[in-house]
Amino acid sequence: SAVISQKPSRDICQRGTSLTIQCQVDSQVTMMFWYRQQPGQSLTLIATANQGSEATYESGFVIDKFPISRPNLTFSTLTVSNMSPEDSSIYLCSVWDSSMNTEAFFGQGTRLTVV
Amino acid sequence: GEDVEQSLFLSVREGDSSVINCTYTDSSSTYLYWYKQEPGAGLQLLTYIFSNMDMKQDQRLTVLLNKKDKHLSLRIADTQTGDSAIYFCAERWAGSYQLTFGKGTKLSVIP
Repeated sequence: SAVISQKPSRDICQRGTSLTIQCQVDSQVTMMFWYRQQPGQSLTLIATANQGSEATYESGFVIDKFPISRPNLTFSTLTVSNMSPEDSSIYLCSVWDSSMNTEAFFGQGTRLTVV
Repeated sequence: GEDVEQSLFLSVREGDSSVINCTYTDSSSTYLYWYKQEPGAGLQLLTYIFSNMDMKQDQRLTVLLNKKDKHLSLRIADTQTGDSAIYFCAERWAGSYQLTFGKGTKLSVIP
C-alpha cells in the first residue's frame, strides 16, 4: 500500500488569504486526486492532479480557486485561494496503487478552518 | 437515485454483529469499497469487492453485494469499541478512477 503524508494536518486561516496543502507519496503513482469533505458531509472530488499538465477539475471547482501542481509522480499541492468560511473543510489527497489500480488510498487530511 | 445512500447512524452492543448498508447508483460500477474514518483521521481502506462477486470475507468483515438491487453491505462480526467510526461506502464507475462516496454511517459501539 502507498503511504501518503499531507501537510499541514490542520490550520486556522484568515478569510481572504490562501493556503497551500502538500501531498507526498512514498512511491511513484500515476493517479493522484484531491477531495474535499465538508463538515458532516461525504467526500467530493475536486480534481485529478496530472503530472506535467494542468489538473482536470470537476464541475463546481475552478483552477483560479483551487490551483494544483503535480511536478512529479510522488508529489502534489493544492492551494485554496482567497478563502472564505465556506471553504472550511477537510481536504484529502488520494492515490491509486500503481500496480493493479484497484485500491485507492487517502492521506490523513488537512483540516482547514477559515475565520 | 443519483446518490450513494447510507443510513447515517448505527448503534450496537460490544460483541454483537454490525451490518452497515449502502445503495449505490450505477449497475456498471466495477468496484465497491468500504472505508473507515476515525475521529480526526483520514480514510482507511477496509475492503473492496469486484462487481462480479457476491461476497467477500476478510477476518471479521463480510461484504455482500446484490447487483440486481444495487445493494452493498458490510458486516462486522464481534464488534469492538475500536470499531466506532464513520464507515463510507464508495463506488467506482466503469472506465473511471473517480470514487463516489455515500455520506457515511456513524457506528457507535456500546460497551
